[in-house]
Amino acid sequence: QSALTQPASVSGSPGQSITVSCAGTINDIGTYNLVSWYQQYPGKAPKLIIYEVTKRPSGISSRFSGSRSGYTASLTISGLQPEDEADYHCCSYAGGRACVFGGGTKLTVL
Amino acid sequence: QVQFVQSGTEVQKPGASVKISCKASGYSSPIYFIHWVRQAPGHGLEWMGWVNAGDGVPQYSQKLQGRITITRDTLSSTGYMELTSLTSEDTAIYYCTGGPTPYNLDSWGQGTLLTVSS
Repeated sequence: QSALTQPASVSGSPGQSITVSCAGTINDIGTYNLVSWYQQYPGKAPKLIIYEVTKRPSGISSRFSGSRSGYTASLTISGLQPEDEADYHCCSYAGGRACVFGGGTKLTVL
Repeated sequence: QVQFVQSGTEVQKPGASVKISCKASGYSSPIYFIHWVRQAPGHGLEWMGWVNAGDGVPQYSQKLQGRITITRDTLSSTGYMELTSLTSEDTAIYYCTGGPTPYNLDSWGQGTLLTVSS
């Protein structure tokens, strides 16, 4: 069982917006503004797309945004494109554990 | 940005140990955190531990404590992850990853497939 809870799958049509949730506890998301999100294509290594809840690394599209409310972090992808179809993983710092991951969410672009 | 190049595919028998390497290039800061993350077939990511490349101090997940050792060689800019007492549940792709802070996994290696089978 993963420490953070994500939906197994989400879907959307091109041009739409989707949101992936990541539910944690007081011990991780609820205490630390240190949530990151990773995009992973099949057979490839993950790639950092959001860090410290809301920040985007250089080169990441502004269509990707992050937020946090209470014990839940969210990743929103606006203007959905076919190339956004991938797995998305959230991670939160949790004190003694540098990164507790969610189970991952498969995004399907219809 | 740092680039990580990992050692190749491993096949080990139950009860054996494995040591995977990860060579880093392209970073100038002495403070850098190298993490190890694994992904079992069809599963999500699991954080295993990290090492502060500056002082060599590691930190491990509670689940793997006692079976995992993470080290680094500053001269060759290489990180290592050793896992002992392997079982079939250790079959996974192992990634080294890291960044200038302990919280963000900026760069990733290509992954090393470990298969544990008799």
